[in-house]
Amino acid sequence: DTGVSQNPRHKITKRGQNVTFRCDPISEHNRLYWYRQTLGQGPEFLTYFQNEAQLEKSRLLSDRFSAERPKGSFSTLEIQRTEQGDSAMYLCASSGGLFRDSREYEQYFGPGTRLTVT
Amino acid sequence: GENVEQHPSTLSVQEGDSAVIKCTYSDSASNYFPWYKQELGKRPQLIIDIRSNVGEKKDQRIAVTLNKTAKHFSLHITETQPEDSAVYFCAASASKIIFGSGTRLSIRP
Repeated sequence: DTGVSQNPRHKITKRGQNVTFRCDPISEHNRLYWYRQTLGQGPEFLTYFQNEAQLEKSRLLSDRFSAERPKGSFSTLEIQRTEQGDSAMYLCASSGGLFRDSREYEQYFGPGTRLTVT
Repeated sequence: GENVEQHPSTLSVQEGDSAVIKCTYSDSASNYFPWYKQELGKRPQLIIDIRSNVGEKKDQRIAVTLNKTAKHFSLHITETQPEDSAVYFCAASASKIIFGSGTRLSIRP
């Protein structure tokens, strides 16, 4: 499978615990995005990377959230001291590559990690 | 801040009829407008997109229109089929993508 992959697919944790999610983008894509989606809502932007550089973070992203993309390939999203309000689907998407038309902008999503905080 | 408004939130059409979903955006720097289809429990799937230098784009039964002056863009699905039932999201992007709140489309047999 050459698409975007995410692990784990499901995570149940107790309030106050730390969790870490991983995203492996499409190999030739240089941009990687993290989103959060709650039931009935559209994906909400969290942060994005171009290669290993984190270019933008949402103001909604509290200090408990941190993301890394150390070698410009896979990325991790960590949530510290989880709260019940963090329960959501966390989606990763990637885009970019060598295209010089609209295909450069096309974002392809992974299957998501569903987080439940009890 | 950047915002994308999407209407309607729910839409029910007879099979074979057309469906239209409309969006507006606030960031005048937006230059890329994708549309995603999301079925229950699945990831969003890109179905069509349009760049700001184009006013209209068509792909089989799906078409998108863009009015940059008015900051409006729309999705048109013709000859709707049961498999078109899903949630559709519009989005606008200058760098990051901002999504609308979604339209739940139901196709009545």
